[in-house]
Amino acid sequence: TQLLEQSPQFLSIQEGENLTVYCNSSSVFSSLQWYRQEPGEGPVLLVTVVTGGEVKKLKRLTFQFGDARKDSSLHITAAQPGDTGLYLCAGDSPYNFNKFYFGSGTKLNVKP
Amino acid sequence: DAGVIQSPRHEVTEMGQEVTLRCKPISGHDYLFWYRQTMMRGLELLIYFNNNVPIDDSGMPEDRFSAKMPNASFSTLKIQPSEPRDSAVYFCASSPYLRGGELFFGEGSRLTVL
Repeated sequence: TQLLEQSPQFLSIQEGENLTVYCNSSSVFSSLQWYRQEPGEGPVLLVTVVTGGEVKKLKRLTFQFGDARKDSSLHITAAQPGDTGLYLCAGDSPYNFNKFYFGSGTKLNVKP
Repeated sequence: DAGVIQSPRHEVTEMGQEVTLRCKPISGHDYLFWYRQTMMRGLELLIYFNNNVPIDDSGMPEDRFSAKMPNASFSTLKIQPSEPRDSAVYFCASSPYLRGGELFFGEGSRLTVL
């Protein structure tokens, strides 16, 4: 059982469409991160959110941390083929801060 | 900075053989992590070190797996004997601090055990 559940698992859309990826847990996290991983490479950090209700924007990407710090979302506006990749959320639990948990991932394919 | 460097990038071996994966973290990073990634289980934390000392190895699957960090610039993950179910991509990551810190990943070592 994954501590962090991501949905959807797979997403295939056309260039220009909008999309939202969700990261949910029954546990509270002191901080949550989003990474993007391209084939043959390691994950690369996109953003870290630490405050409940926090919203961060990175160009066409908008990240939100839930008020209760149990969930997060990633919204991409006008997706481009360069956004294709595996999106991973990751959180460190305040109850066992030695552990850094990764979600199951959302595989996004943006078709030209 | 060169980033986290892992070797080999690809390893194909036969069941029962010893496998050693290597990692050079980013200079100055106090934390080093070993992760394993598979389609079924995603990214799993195997072990992490702080200042070369293993802190939590509860993710290591079994006694066949061992990890060392003899100095601040080098770590190894060894599997002996290897089994087909060990086939995965193994990532090393380093970070300057633990809580909320960015993990800098290497490019991974893809292991195939026949």
